[in-house]
Amino acid sequence: GQQLNQSPQSMFIQEGEDVSMNCTSSSIFNTWLWYKQDPGEGPVLLIALYKAGELTSNGRLTAQFGITRKDSFLNISASIPSDVGIYFCAGRSPIQGAQKLVFGQGTRLTINP
Amino acid sequence: DAGVIQSPRHEVTEMGQEVTLRCKPISGHDYLFWYRQTMMRGLELLIYFNNNVPIDDSGMPEDRFSAKMPNASFSTLKIQPSEPRDSAVYFCASSSGTREQYFGPGTRLTVT
Repeated sequence: GQQLNQSPQSMFIQEGEDVSMNCTSSSIFNTWLWYKQDPGEGPVLLIALYKAGELTSNGRLTAQFGITRKDSFLNISASIPSDVGIYFCAGRSPIQGAQKLVFGQGTRLTINP
Repeated sequence: DAGVIQSPRHEVTEMGQEVTLRCKPISGHDYLFWYRQTMMRGLELLIYFNNNVPIDDSGMPEDRFSAKMPNASFSTLKIQPSEPRDSAVYFCASSSGTREQYFGPGTRLTVT
């Protein structure tokens, strides 16, 4: 089946640093989503991207839909302790249909105060 | 507004026992999804419903798994008989039309 390659798998940073993570695929996607999962909770949608080249911000978070439609990145600026968690990319492809999402393996973010 | 509600939050059972996980989607949402999350395989879609009708169950691992949605506000995922390899976190999510999915808090299942 389709897979999303998410990197890095984990990040250890200092509070206040900027963070960047990305997701790539060998096939095109027509939607890219970024979710955050806190321990013991379900994923929460952060940003949704629907057009190639689209750049969207949500507070300190910025995400872009790659122009090739095969990748996306998420940046977090000036990280704070509550940014700790696992970040997942997810994509919706023309092949799988409008409702099925494919998820990346996640990036675990740890912040040293 | 209440989000997606799942019960129980934690379930510990012995191999061979029947397990039933429950989900109440967000009111007004017409799509409901069941996912399984493990360290090895990440988040996997098991099955999804539209207007209470199963649309795609290609992710259901085997015949031991079954899911039902008797009405718009309730769905169950049943495992019978359960096996240790079924241990995982099971999420329910719902959405409205073409809008994005909202996830519940999950049920952590441990089969000993």
